[in-house]
Amino acid sequence: RKEVEQDPGPFNVPEGATVAFNCTYSNSASQSFFWYRQDCRKEPKLLMSVYSSGNEDGRFTAQLNRASQYISLLIRDSKLSDSATYLCVVNGMDSSYKLIFGSGTRLLVRP
Amino acid sequence: DAGVIQSPRHEVTEMGQEVTLRCKPISGHNSLFWYRQTMMRGLELLIYFNNNVPIDDSGMPEDRFSAKMPNASFSTLKIQPSEPRDSAVYFCASSLSQTGNTIYFGEGSWLTVV
Repeated sequence: RKEVEQDPGPFNVPEGATVAFNCTYSNSASQSFFWYRQDCRKEPKLLMSVYSSGNEDGRFTAQLNRASQYISLLIRDSKLSDSATYLCVVNGMDSSYKLIFGSGTRLLVRP
Repeated sequence: DAGVIQSPRHEVTEMGQEVTLRCKPISGHNSLFWYRQTMMRGLELLIYFNNNVPIDDSGMPEDRFSAKMPNASFSTLKIQPSEPRDSAVYFCASSLSQTGNTIYFGEGSWLTVV
């Protein structure tokens, strides 16, 4: 089983739609969770950290469910510029400094 | 502030040649990571350093790969000899070595081995 698993997509949604991605992780001891965004042929960039109580940043909401070991990202009122690959990131089994990246979920927002 | 700086941005080389990728982390960051990204395998951690010391190199594919960090502001990833299956994007990233700290990526070195 992969340490971090994501649905690769693509999710193809119209502008203005709400879309949600889930990610599951295998290490129950993980403490750090993030969502990164990667545009085509670019480096990954931090979108947001994920806190235990859930957190929101504008149109983006992240949730953590420790009992089920999954993380979610909700994007409301999606924009064309949201088209990208979204990477779920969790700290690894053997080190809190070692971040394990999921393979990413691709989002396409159409006009 | 300057981000993580990598060079070269693009390299095309022939099989068997030595390849050296370079990285300058963000000033003040004391953790440095080398990742490799391919379509098939996604982002894989190759090695990470903390305070210039290699902490975990379990992701280094084989002996052809080596990495060094001679000081806090410079690291290299070397492949010798290179093979076509090494073709990938190699990202360097840095962070402050505290749990939960964000890592920042360079723009990557796009390597093609023919």
